[in-house]
Amino acid sequence: DAGVIQSPRHEVTEMGQEVTLRCKPISGHDYLFWYRQTMMRGLELLIYFNNNVPIDDSGMPEDRFSAKMPNASFSTLKIQPSEPRDSAVYFCASSLTAPGPLNTGELFFGEGSRLTVL
Amino acid sequence: SQQGEEDPQALSIQEGENATMNCSYKTSINNLQWYRQNSGRGLVHLILIRSNEREKHSGRLRVTLDTSKKSSSLLITASRAADTASYFCAAKTNRLAFGKGNQVVVIP
Repeated sequence: DAGVIQSPRHEVTEMGQEVTLRCKPISGHDYLFWYRQTMMRGLELLIYFNNNVPIDDSGMPEDRFSAKMPNASFSTLKIQPSEPRDSAVYFCASSLTAPGPLNTGELFFGEGSRLTVL
Repeated sequence: SQQGEEDPQALSIQEGENATMNCSYKTSINNLQWYRQNSGRGLVHLILIRSNEREKHSGRLRVTLDTSKKSSSLLITASRAADTASYFCAAKTNRLAFGKGNQVVVIP
């Protein structure tokens, strides 16, 4: 398997523009996570899906952020309109096991999408 | 809120030396995981220790868990230049909460 695939790897955009980040999880994994990484705040969980259904979006910063998972092999994270403070590395990760108390929850990460909003 | 918090934040050692980093967490956990992140790359899972375990080994990695102190340590023995990376602990409850990471630099 090729692992978790994210695109684009780098995105530079201007404030106010729409940004769409894409993720293909590992085949057979039924959990998908979106994380944001910054120097100041570290790695923050934004949202996660189970079987394409959003389970917990409490980490999504505000209404400008939205995430979808139309099928088991594809997810998007959209920011509209983008702001300079959204500049970060956005990671997608997938997992075969449930994040509940009885499972290990080992995550497989993509290489990330580095977003710069000018 | 962040569960895992690593200490120290940055470590610079000579190749061949051991590197030790610590992590603390705040609530009861199911397991604790350590991940490595090379510069510009995604995180990679290294090792997992369950809440009922006290020590675990994997190659040059040794992880300990003290649930009474809510802390864990990761030891990398006989470090190599390729071990230069950031290391994150992640505390597993109903979700996985990551610390901010330890930067480890191994000097050849």
